[in-house]
Amino acid sequence: KQEVTQIPAALSVPEGENLVLNCSFTDSAIYNLQWFRQDPGKGLTSLLLIQSSQREQTSGRLNASLDKSSGRSTLYIAASQPGDSATYLCAEMRGTYKYIFGTGTRLKVLA
Amino acid sequence: DVKVTQSSRYLVKRTGEKVFLECVQDMDHENMFWYRQDPGLGLRLIYFSYDVKMKEKGDIPEGYSVSREKKERFSLILESASTNQTSMYLCASSLLASGTGELFFGEGSRLTVL
Repeated sequence: KQEVTQIPAALSVPEGENLVLNCSFTDSAIYNLQWFRQDPGKGLTSLLLIQSSQREQTSGRLNASLDKSSGRSTLYIAASQPGDSATYLCAEMRGTYKYIFGTGTRLKVLA
Repeated sequence: DVKVTQSSRYLVKRTGEKVFLECVQDMDHENMFWYRQDPGLGLRLIYFSYDVKMKEKGDIPEGYSVSREKKERFSLILESASTNQTSMYLCASSLLASGTGELFFGEGSRLTVL
């Protein structure tokens, strides 16, 4: 079964902590891996995309890595802030039109 | 910046009504998608389109239809709304020619069917 798993499902951390969100996928023939942020009641905002030929991507305080051999991607958030509180989803692109989404990690950063 | 606009953020409809959800993207993307998002079930693909007038069923097309008459616009139609179609509907687009297939989403349409 094609699955994308995100652990933990929920996370609560104090402001300033560095944290890692995990995304596991089952198909090594991945095309790309995309990380999104979703605020309550809103759509998904693209954060980072890693193509299958890449190992990592960085944007500001965010760094995403991709390890195809182990079927894992991680999203690293440095110096977390209350404004980072949201649900973070990863999505694996397996074909031209096929995206498999994880169920997300709900992050709360406490002031 | 890519902009995907969903015309209605919140809708309340009655069982049996016909419902139109509109989505417009401004970046000449070939691919457009409709997903629904429900607690515990994640995002599920309803339909997608890879070109004008072309459409393909996703994982849960029953009870829905779509229309793509212009490249920038992709409409989701509920012919006869039912209470189990109460959900958050998300439109997305991607440009395959870019080589990445990066997905861009709209703000979502929260539909309640009474």
